[in-house]
Amino acid sequence: GENVEQHPSTLSVQEGDSAVIKCTYSDSASNYFPWYKQELGKGPQLIIDIRSNVGEKKDQRIAVTLNKTAKHFSLHITETQPEDSAVYFCAASREGQGGKLIFGQGTELSVKP
Amino acid sequence: KAGVTQTPRYLIKTRGQQVTLSCSPISGHRSVSWYQQTPGQGLQFLFEYFSETQRNKGNFPGRFSGRQFSNSRSEMNVSTLELGDSALYLCASSLASTNEQFFGPGTRLTVL
Repeated sequence: GENVEQHPSTLSVQEGDSAVIKCTYSDSASNYFPWYKQELGKGPQLIIDIRSNVGEKKDQRIAVTLNKTAKHFSLHITETQPEDSAVYFCAASREGQGGKLIFGQGTELSVKP
Repeated sequence: KAGVTQTPRYLIKTRGQQVTLSCSPISGHRSVSWYQQTPGQGLQFLFEYFSETQRNKGNFPGRFSGRQFSNSRSEMNVSTLELGDSALYLCASSLASTNEQFFGPGTRLTVL
């Protein structure tokens, strides 16, 4: 069935370093890949997304890359700040089922000042 | 523009009871999806509604049901509650089912 694997489960970096979180999906029909940030006591917040017709997308310090052949996509955060500390989730959905997101297990990112 | 709102924010029930959770989407959004979040299983899709019709359904038992009203507000119901139903229930809305989903703060359900 549909599955999204996310690694690592925890990531600790020093302020100013870069952080990379990787996800692999199983459903080759997946065409939409969002990333969410979830802070304690809050719902997931959409931070960036990419569609299957694009290989890379950037928004200030955040970028996402997609390799359709390998069914692999990654989140890159540069110049990390303490306020980036949160749990990050990747997700995927397939054509015609955009309302159904399959989530990875989450990565707890800790940015140490 | 107001975000997705969910009520109530916290709920405590006992086994065997039923519960109804409510979700108001962002104004103009017609698609509402529901997810269950637990430490063990993570975020799991329950169902999606679009224009009052269920469009997608996850792998949850029939005790979990939902509906959507003509104003796009949605409710989900869980009957015969079990201890394992304790979770954060999240609602997300989007303009259409192919667009970005925006989540509400969730309803924390505790079953005793």
